[in-house]
Amino acid sequence: EVQLLESGGGLVQPGGSLRLSCAASEFTFSSYPMSWVRQAPGQGLEWVSTVTGTGDSTYYADSVKGRFTISRDNSKNTLYLQLNSLRAEDTAVYYCAKDTVTLDFYFDLWGRGTLVTVSS
Amino acid sequence: DIVMTQSPDSLAVSLGERATINCKSSQSVLYSSKNKNYLAWYQQKPGQPPKLLIYWASIRESGVPDRFSGSGSGTDFTLTISSLQAEDVAVYYCQQYYSSPFSFGGGTKVEIK
Repeated sequence: EVQLLESGGGLVQPGGSLRLSCAASEFTFSSYPMSWVRQAPGQGLEWVSTVTGTGDSTYYADSVKGRFTISRDNSKNTLYLQLNSLRAEDTAVYYCAKDTVTLDFYFDLWGRGTLVTVSS
Repeated sequence: DIVMTQSPDSLAVSLGERATINCKSSQSVLYSSKNKNYLAWYQQKPGQPPKLLIYWASIRESGVPDRFSGSGSGTDFTLTISSLQAEDVAVYYCQQYYSSPFSFGGGTKVEIK
């Protein structure tokens, strides 16, 4: 079954760091750009970051630029998001999402998400 | 940045009746040279991740029932559920992918009347 499975979320103090992972299965992972989209509790969706299939190009929302780093390991079919200098407003469910092969920035497959809670 | 505004925030519709959700962008998301509107619709059921319903404003994703349709161009878009079913209870989001940051609307909650 084509799927995405996130992991790595948890409780972290303000200023702390966390690394999220997303394991992809049953599709040619390296062919597709991949993204992270987050959803604060009870709120709407916010695009966070996208990486191309090769990993050569990355894109970030201003709210996370300089603090978060997206990367991928195509040999492991895994997407990552390194979260540094975390703030309370970063508290959210983080979804891994598959983009189209042509990097259109809409998302046709989503994981179930991993919850990041930033609190002291 | 492009701001996406959805209306209404919520609506209650009887089973079998039509549901209409509106989405307005603060600037056009029509790429004229390609004649494409960079607009997608998603459905999010309680406790689940979003699911892609419509892209390029009107193209239904594979496997999505044909009671879901998207229309509009430029700055004004509509998602229509022609005959509401119980399994359609969800929050619906529009998203523009015309320019970064790729923003979503605030969501419209659809319930059964």
